Amino acid sequence: AAGVIQSPRHLIKEKRETATLKCYPIPRHDTVYWYQQGPGQDPQFLISFYEKMQSDKGSIPDRFSAQQFSDYHSELNMSSLELGDSALYFCASSSRGYTFGSGTRLTVV
Amino acid sequence: SQQGEEDPQALSIQEGENATMNCSYKTSINNLQWYRQNSGRGLVHLILIRSNEREKHSGRLRVTLDTSKKSSSLLITASRAADTASYFCATGSEKLVFGKGTKLTVNP
Repeated sequence: AAGVIQSPRHLIKEKRETATLKCYPIPRHDTVYWYQQGPGQDPQFLISFYEKMQSDKGSIPDRFSAQQFSDYHSELNMSSLELGDSALYFCASSSRGYTFGSGTRLTVV
Repeated sequence: SQQGEEDPQALSIQEGENATMNCSYKTSINNLQWYRQNSGRGLVHLILIRSNEREKHSGRLRVTLDTSKKSSSLLITASRAADTASYFCATGSEKLVFGKGTKLTVNP
């Protein structure tokens, strides 16, 4: 069965650069969620989309933005990267249950 | 974390032993889920227990829920080295709020 696909798996960026993370949800899943997990931390909710509209917002910095496209894939855009943005970024999609992607490991140097 | 604490934060046991992890939460819930995460990898859903359930089993997993104490426990019986991972509880019907997690090491 198709899972949630995230790309890239790994990303290394320098401070003040921009990064774009992509998420392809399970077909017919109508909701996409983004989470950030710092080293040794629990995942923290960033933002979610339902039917391409933002449905909820968590502790997402103003430097980050996200959107969901007509094909339901979502992108998380991160600008003016800081060292503290280094983390695992997970996308999840849901219909009746949650499925997480394998995550993108972002390292800011 | 808005969830509360999980304990223990780290647990090291021998293969064949049972592992018990606890989770507390702060708000009223409809259900509580447990996830497993291998080091640096994705979150894998293990089991969901609804607020009107007190205990649930799935293979070697046993989850209990005490809504009066706002706590849950995950028991892994007859542990295996492959069970080595971090285990998180999470609540929420839409966005999930995770606990701090327990890092379980099962030694061969």
